[in-house]
Amino acid sequence: QVQLQESGPGLVKPSQTLSLTCTVSGGSVTSGHYYWSWIRQPAGKELEWIGRIYTTGSTIYSPSLKSRVTISIDASRSQFSLRLSSVTAEDTAVYYCARLVDAKLFDYWGRGTPVTVSS
Amino acid sequence: QSALTQPASVSGSPGQSITISCTGTSSDVGAYNYVSWYQHHPGKAPKLIISEVTNRPSGVSDRFSGSKSGNTASLTISGLQAEDEADYFCNAFTGTNPYYVFGAGTRVTVL
Repeated sequence: QVQLQESGPGLVKPSQTLSLTCTVSGGSVTSGHYYWSWIRQPAGKELEWIGRIYTTGSTIYSPSLKSRVTISIDASRSQFSLRLSSVTAEDTAVYYCARLVDAKLFDYWGRGTPVTVSS
Repeated sequence: QSALTQPASVSGSPGQSITISCTGTSSDVGAYNYVSWYQHHPGKAPKLIISEVTNRPSGVSDRFSGSKSGNTASLTISGLQAEDEADYFCNAFTGTNPYYVFGAGTRVTVL
């Protein structure tokens, strides 16, 4: 059974960089059919796709966040990570990592980790 | 790309059937048969219950079913049970960046 687990600071100061890691167990981040994604949900709002990465390191980011987002992958640790720079209160949300099958379907998700941007 | 529209809440009595709608546009829900539904109990990982509009992954109860008409997808839960009380959200592939859009979720309450 594939499991994903997000980790990282729950509180980030405005203008700083948010950094989260997703650890994958029960499966390999190098499998060819899968992409690895970050998604977030501000309280009371819809979920928002942030970006995805393939095992080769190839990335695609949502246009709305592209200038501030970096997603990386570490196959040796079975992890992929999110960095979001210059955060503001609008970046306060629950952040999820998820596995994406054939770039079409999110089949496994982490439980999510809440991140608050506040001084 | 706009988000998908879902009702904030739906309720029903045990044994009843309920339907949750997910309205998008001709660029997402209406364009592709890549609409998924997820069940989310707070504090747990969202669980895939419907993929590609109508497909149920292995192990998912056949009380869950999906359909689509035009730009609106629907999730029906039949024979409602207490354990079905959760949030449900939809997701659609758009074909252009951003490639994935979601609804805000629907809270299902079993009366």
